[in-house]
Amino acid sequence: EVQLVESGGGLVQPGGSLRLSCAASGFTFTRYWMHWVRQAPGKGLVWVSRIISDASSTSYADSVKGRFTISRDNAKNTLYLQMNSLRAEDTAVYYCVRNHYYMDVWGKGTTVTVSS
Amino acid sequence: QSALTQPASVSGSPGQSITISCTGTSSDVGAYNYVSWYQQHPGEAPKLMIFDVSNRPSGVSDRFSGSKSGNTASLTISGLQAEDEADYYCNSYTISSTPLFGGGTKLTVL
Repeated sequence: EVQLVESGGGLVQPGGSLRLSCAASGFTFTRYWMHWVRQAPGKGLVWVSRIISDASSTSYADSVKGRFTISRDNAKNTLYLQMNSLRAEDTAVYYCVRNHYYMDVWGKGTTVTVSS
Repeated sequence: QSALTQPASVSGSPGQSITISCTGTSSDVGAYNYVSWYQQHPGEAPKLMIFDVSNRPSGVSDRFSGSKSGNTASLTISGLQAEDEADYYCNSYTISSTPLFGGGTKLTVL
């Protein structure tokens, strides 16, 4: 079964850091681009970051550029999102998503809450 | 970059057809045939319903169809059913080689 399982979410104070992980299974992880997409409470989907299959290129939304870093370990079939200098507006469910021009497999998400 | 423009809400009665629009620019929707649509029920992860403007993934009902004209894409749901009530999001690949979502549309089945 094709599956993405996120972990690492939680409650963090403003200015703090958190690292999200996404374990992939059931498909050849090295063939796919991967993304992080987030959804603030009661709001819509917002693309956060993407990394290409061999990790040689990454892109970020302006709102997280310079604070978040996407990476992947193809040997461990795992995607990461290092989040630094967190702000209240980063509070959201973070989804790990597969693919390039469209997003065909989604994880269930992990919740990040930034609050003092 | 601003989100693609979708109506905040649409509604229809069971059996009817509805269409949700998704308006972008020549830098996204109008640039490529890489528009996709996602259905999201409350508390669940989004589900891919349409990709590459008009293609349905395996398992998605043929009541769902997509199209595009210029900078505007559309999702049509025919024969509305109660289980179609959900939020719908469009997405387009952009000339920045990044994806861009619409603001979302809440579909109510009356």
